[in-house]
Amino acid sequence: DVKVTQSSRYLVKRTGEKVFLECVQDMDHENMFWYRQDPGLGLRLIYFSYDVKMKEKGDIPEGYSVSREKKERFSLILESASTNQTSMYLCASSQTYYSNQPQHFGDGTRLSIL
Amino acid sequence: RKEVEQDPGPFNVPEGATVAFNCTYSNSASQSFFWYRQDCRKEPKLLMSVYSSGNEDGRFTAQLNRASQYISLLIRDSKLSDSATYLCVVNRVSNFGNEKLTFGTGTRLTIIP
Repeated sequence: DVKVTQSSRYLVKRTGEKVFLECVQDMDHENMFWYRQDPGLGLRLIYFSYDVKMKEKGDIPEGYSVSREKKERFSLILESASTNQTSMYLCASSQTYYSNQPQHFGDGTRLSIL
Repeated sequence: RKEVEQDPGPFNVPEGATVAFNCTYSNSASQSFFWYRQDCRKEPKLLMSVYSSGNEDGRFTAQLNRASQYISLLIRDSKLSDSATYLCVVNRVSNFGNEKLTFGTGTRLTIIP
């Protein structure tokens, strides 16, 4: 079974802090993704990576950056957290370059910015 | 127009009934289609892929109409455990040629005993 592990289930931070969300997958997947999910807006893609040190912006990259130094780990960074970044963050991975392979999600991190 | 549109529901359906959801997509170049299921406060999980010829998995049937750009999911003999939000998912190609998925906002289904 594919396992995608996110470092925290719940996180509370303050406005202006630099926040790191970590994601690790154990299936040697090439592709990794960060989404945020908000009521009425569904899942929106922030960034994704299709290889080590390779990344591409998703639909809402503003205020975020990512890092992929190792294949199994994909980090999402909130450079200076703001209250509108309070959300559920979901990490996912998939096996190959082609999207006909399903994405496997972690449990999610519910982030609150105060 | 949204890339993927779904009726948000909620659909409240008695146990044992048949229920159907539709989803429309805007990108005619899309090639891969899925239904995901998301339980309350849980992560999305793949329910089934959708193939051009239509496909069935037990009580679940998925169909694709490329001409009209819509996807459907039919659930027969619904169970209490089918209560969840169902996400319609479609692929797209980025400006850099990388494929990624677009998720609909989901249709919420509640099965009533």
